[in-house]
Amino acid sequence: DIQMTQSPSSLSASVGDRVTITCRAGQSISTYLNWYQQKPGKAPKLLIYAASSLQSGVPSRFSGSGSGTDFTLTISSLQPEDFATYYCQQSYSTPRTFGQGTKVEIK
Amino acid sequence: QITLKESGPTLVKPTQTLTLTCTFSGFSLSTSGVGVGWIRQPPGKALEWLALIYWDDDKRYSPSLKSRLTITKDTSKNQVVLTMTNLDPVDTATYYCAQSAGGSNAFDIWGQGTMVTVSS
Repeated sequence: DIQMTQSPSSLSASVGDRVTITCRAGQSISTYLNWYQQKPGKAPKLLIYAASSLQSGVPSRFSGSGSGTDFTLTISSLQPEDFATYYCQQSYSTPRTFGQGTKVEIK
Repeated sequence: QITLKESGPTLVKPTQTLTLTCTFSGFSLSTSGVGVGWIRQPPGKALEWLALIYWDDDKRYSPSLKSRLTITKDTSKNQVVLTMTNLDPVDTATYYCAQSAGGSNAFDIWGQGTMVTVSS
């Protein structure tokens, strides 16, 4: 299995802040990296696929970068509706493992 | 519009077998490149990938659960079924099904999830 490690596990930020979440893969996964947003009691929602491609309908303040083993999700200006938990997932090989999640909380 | 919905029992006793059904619409599981997967999430914990079935009946399983899982599809009914044997309280979780289409292999669309509690 490819281990996915996210950091930080949680963070506190204010509306308007720039937020960066990192994800590290246990081996190279090229750009087979996806980011999901999950709000309490809801199913995850795909934000970014293939490391940097924005899913249709997702605001442009979300962006992704990276390749190989190191990836980042950036929210350029945090909005109230962005407070949620974010997960990375590798889709390079099965099992398509997820990171442990990063909870973004209101400061 | 693509939708998926999970169904199955909400309460299962330890050692029993769990059968979950994912009923979907808006796409066909006979279309090249399309897959449907199962993911679970214990209360307050992270997502865990379980299994995936592709349009060509290729099946993939989590190695840690492979001996307990079976995934099948019924293309005519637009359904994917996940069976998990020998349930334990640690299997208590919300179970999601999701569609995977396109070269990125991401889960594009998710069902709402179904909560399963394993308890005697």
